[in-house]
Amino acid sequence: ETGVTQSPTHLIKTRGQQVTLRCSSQSGHNTVSWYQQALGQGPQFIFQYYREEENGRGNFPPRFSGLQFPNYSSELNVNALELDDSALYLCASSSPGRVWDTQYFGPGTRLTVL
Amino acid sequence: TQLLEQSPQFLSIQEGENLTVYCNSSSVFSSLQWYRQEPGEGPVLLVTVVTGGEVKKLKRLTFQFGDARKDSSLHITAAQPGDTGLYLCASEDRSSNTGKLIFGQGTTLQVKP
Repeated sequence: ETGVTQSPTHLIKTRGQQVTLRCSSQSGHNTVSWYQQALGQGPQFIFQYYREEENGRGNFPPRFSGLQFPNYSSELNVNALELDDSALYLCASSSPGRVWDTQYFGPGTRLTVL
Repeated sequence: TQLLEQSPQFLSIQEGENLTVYCNSSSVFSSLQWYRQEPGEGPVLLVTVVTGGEVKKLKRLTFQFGDARKDSSLHITAAQPGDTGLYLCASEDRSSNTGKLIFGQGTTLQVKP
């Protein structure tokens, strides 16, 4: 186990709704990255939070947003859900000292949009 | 942006067989990581290779980094059903200064008893 937890495990939403996914990073880690993994594909980088600030973003629209809290846990929010948003959402935390140190992944949240 | 191509995309073999999975890029890797992901779980880091020509072994798994650091391979000897999973290669996108990982599309391995 990596010590990274995510909730909920599974979620079913309908088109147009909004969703919030949560991630608790490994103890002592100050960086959280979020990835989207479509079925049968590798994960794609959504964005990263470092010390409560967004620190880089992938090719995702603004309806994907996030937060990082003082305890370094993080949220991913997706507005106006689309069918193509159905995927496994992974968060990964990194150890301090280097922003790009080894990333430890949580088990993911499986989002289904109907 | 660097693209990573993995091959094959799907592999189904019998227990005891050997196999090799490949990861290639048109650009030079700064470093390369291999992950294994089981259903319902996040990717778990197996190894990081950094130096061209480097070979690392993890029990029955052998990881090789090409001399020019543009390709890598994962070889499994005497595969077992417990090796079943999605194998992903990934590299840091050094241009982004975020440590963002770029992943290949993965190789799904099924080892039948």
